[in-house]
Amino acid sequence: SQQGEEDPQALSIQEGENATMNCSYKTSINNLQWYRQNSGRGLVHLILIRSNEREKHSGRLRVTLDTSKKSSSLLITASRAADTASYFCATVKAAGNKLTFGGGTRVLVKP
Amino acid sequence: DAGVTQSPTHLIKTRGQHVTLRCSPISGHKSVSWYQQVLGQGPQFIFQYYEKEERGRGNFPDRFSARQFPNYSSELNVNALLLGDSALYLCASRQGVTGTDTQYFGPGTRLTVL
Repeated sequence: SQQGEEDPQALSIQEGENATMNCSYKTSINNLQWYRQNSGRGLVHLILIRSNEREKHSGRLRVTLDTSKKSSSLLITASRAADTASYFCATVKAAGNKLTFGGGTRVLVKP
Repeated sequence: DAGVTQSPTHLIKTRGQHVTLRCSPISGHKSVSWYQQVLGQGPQFIFQYYEKEERGRGNFPDRFSARQFPNYSSELNVNALLLGDSALYLCASRQGVTGTDTQYFGPGTRLTVL
């Protein structure tokens, strides 16, 4: 079963705009991770945020985590055509060892 | 340093056949996990191995099995293939057994069952 649910399922934006996607989950977590996947290939790790953290940045990426609402958001600023991909959130439960993925958000950045 | 490698890249089988997929983790990583990703969905956890022992199993039938070798590489075996086994099979490695550190994924093996 899928722990996380991403919203929206699909997103289309112009190059230079910001893209925001959200992830909700159901149980207490140790950490939440965001991954990118291009055209059905392998997953590329973007950011890991732990349950005691509220915000993390990596380049043009900003991730927030609200454990009270069991939700996270991924913001991509100044998007580029190369950001076109599917983005997945994945959670690790407290004392857990596996990633539980959501269904993903498909992002299309138009040049 | 090489990342997680998987072989083969693509595979076509017919129903009822058996398949073996292979994975080599990042050097120094002792944990290997396998995931199945059906088209249009997120990956689903199949197995985790750490130090050659099974440390986790997802909700998959007994037709799925795996093992880890002394060099930490791993094989995923699927018997009596069904059409529904068509998917991208992803291998991931990390240093430790728990989920507190980053998991790195390979490029996947695309399995098509006809």
